[in-house]
Amino acid sequence: AQKITQTQPGMFVQEKEAVTLDCTYDTSDQSYGLFWYKQPSSGEMIFLIYQGSYDEQNATEGRYSLNFQKARKSANLVISASQLGDSAMYFCAMRENFGNEKLTFGTGTRLTIIP
Amino acid sequence: DSGVTQTPKHLITATGQRVTLRCSPRSGDLSVYWYQQSLDQGLQFLIQYYNGEERAKGNILERFSAQQFPDLHSELNLSSLELGDSALYFCASSAGAGVTYNEQFFGPGTRLTVL
Repeated sequence: AQKITQTQPGMFVQEKEAVTLDCTYDTSDQSYGLFWYKQPSSGEMIFLIYQGSYDEQNATEGRYSLNFQKARKSANLVISASQLGDSAMYFCAMRENFGNEKLTFGTGTRLTIIP
Repeated sequence: DSGVTQTPKHLITATGQRVTLRCSPRSGDLSVYWYQQSLDQGLQFLIQYYNGEERAKGNILERFSAQQFPDLHSELNLSSLELGDSALYFCASSAGAGVTYNEQFFGPGTRLTVL
């Protein structure tokens, strides 16, 4: 079974609008971490934001925020005031439990910002 | 710039050959991870080393091997290459292991093309 599901293969958003990228996950662990990475066309993976399973508040990093709904097992990324430079692939990833640092990635969402 | 370096940036080789990919982690990071990104498999974890020792193994083929040296740089060796090994290979590093928050910083990747 897929552990990280990103159901939006592609999205088009008008510049300056907010956008939500969906991510649902599946784990039986109580302790886990959720990450979002951005991959521009140049190929590098850029860390955006992290949410721990025990964090009570949603994580925020500048224009990025993570809408964490633990009961629904969702960790959606919200980008406010989108910019042309936000056009990229976005990957949701999960790290399960303390002893296993491997990241399991979703299939990604290709975001295109329209001027 | 994440601080993780990978060489070479591009590699073109033929089927049946052997190649070595090199990674230098961020200064002070003890953990090194290798990931493979291909069109059909997406982003997959291959292997993790922590302070010179293998810590976790993922979907790494027997034809592939890795090691981490005393200076903490790591090499991923790919042998008997097949067309399907063509992919973007990422190295990532993090400060430790077995902790709740262990952000992984990714290198720029090595794009391997097998002809």
